Amino acid sequence: AQKITQTQPGMFVQEKEAVTLDCTYDTSDQSYGLFWYKQPSSGEMIFLIYQGSYDEQNATEGRYSLNFQKARKSANLVISASQLGDSAMYFCAMREADSARQLTFGSGTQLTVLP
Amino acid sequence: DVKVTQSSRYLVKRTGEKVFLECVQDMDHENMFWYRQDPGLGLRLIYFSYDVKMKEKGDIPEGYSVSREKKERFSLILESASTNQTSMYLCASSRVSGANVLTFGAGSRLTVL
Repeated sequence: AQKITQTQPGMFVQEKEAVTLDCTYDTSDQSYGLFWYKQPSSGEMIFLIYQGSYDEQNATEGRYSLNFQKARKSANLVISASQLGDSAMYFCAMREADSARQLTFGSGTQLTVLP
Repeated sequence: DVKVTQSSRYLVKRTGEKVFLECVQDMDHENMFWYRQDPGLGLRLIYFSYDVKMKEKGDIPEGYSVSREKKERFSLILESASTNQTSMYLCASSRVSGANVLTFGAGSRLTVL
């Protein structure tokens, strides 16, 4: 079974609007971490935001926020006020307690911001 | 800033050739990783290392080996390249402690003819 599922291969959003990228995960661990990375066309993976399973508040980093719904096992990324430079591939990833060092990645969502 | 440097951005090799992909990080990170990225499949872990001379298999180690002789350097080796190893290869590193945020290199795009 897929541990990280991103169901949106591609998304479009108008500049200055908000967009939500979906991510669901599957784990039986109580302690785990969830990550979002951005990959522009240049190829380098850029860390955006992290949410620990015990964190009570949703993580936020500037225009990025993580909508963490533990019971539903979802960790959606919300980008507010989209900019043209947000056009990129976005990956959701998870670190489980018994794999303390490595991340498991989803298949990614290609976001295109329209002017 | 942590920097992870991959020696080759683009490589073209022939089937059966031995291929070395080099990765160096400059922030004294304990953990280093090699991922392979293919369209629609996301990133898949090939090998990782949590200390010098230590290595562990990831999800897709077949056809690959690794070497970590120094803390800052982690090499991926394709003993006999095949066309199905044409892919983007991403190296990453992280500390043992904290959230274990991976810092990635720019990637090496390998084409095997």
